[in-house]
Amino acid sequence: NAGVTQTPKFQVLKTGQSMTLQCAQDMNHNSMYWYRQDPGMGLRLIYYSASEGTTDKGEVPNGYNVSRLNKREFSLRLESAAPSQTSVYFCASSEVSRDEQYFGPGTRLTVT
Amino acid sequence: GQSLEQPSEVTAVEGAIVQINCTYQTSGFYGLSWYQQHDGGAPTFLSYNALDGLEETGRFSSFLSRSDSYGYLLLQELQMKDSASYFCAVYNQGGKLIFGQGTELSVKP
Repeated sequence: NAGVTQTPKFQVLKTGQSMTLQCAQDMNHNSMYWYRQDPGMGLRLIYYSASEGTTDKGEVPNGYNVSRLNKREFSLRLESAAPSQTSVYFCASSEVSRDEQYFGPGTRLTVT
Repeated sequence: GQSLEQPSEVTAVEGAIVQINCTYQTSGFYGLSWYQQHDGGAPTFLSYNALDGLEETGRFSSFLSRSDSYGYLLLQELQMKDSASYFCAVYNQGGKLIFGQGTELSVKP
């Protein structure tokens, strides 16, 4: 039981490049989330998916898109990376909304 | 608007008791959670209070007062491994989890 997995662990992008962060969970959870964490800050919600087939914006959605590919997988796409998107990105899942969330190990992204 | 306030840093000695406070302001309120994060790793869930009162889980307890928009995390018998960042978080009316900026706890020998 791996819990929540994220790939890649580290990534360096140049301004304007695109990439997709992958997240998968094996706990049969309905809800999945993407957060970003900047140095010395709390986590801020980018997008979430309350259940398969639905997605909704969080606090800081600009510059990002998401896809809930199936119940297990929830991907985050940066279409045109900007230095302001340099951050650590965490994926999380929970059985249902407003339940305990389980986090992945994070992706450390640097945009130059 | 939505905001949570918690101290940025707390220092305590091994074996002591420490309390980390959190005040919140949010549109709609469904509960207060606490998460622990070691060295920028994956945050892990500690506790959840939906109703007023104290919830105890081993050495950790969490308290909520909805009328005061206030809660705290109490850590007893501190150990070196408790050195970490602690985040309070609230579920708002939209079901989204809003995090505070975190309290960095340093446990000294």
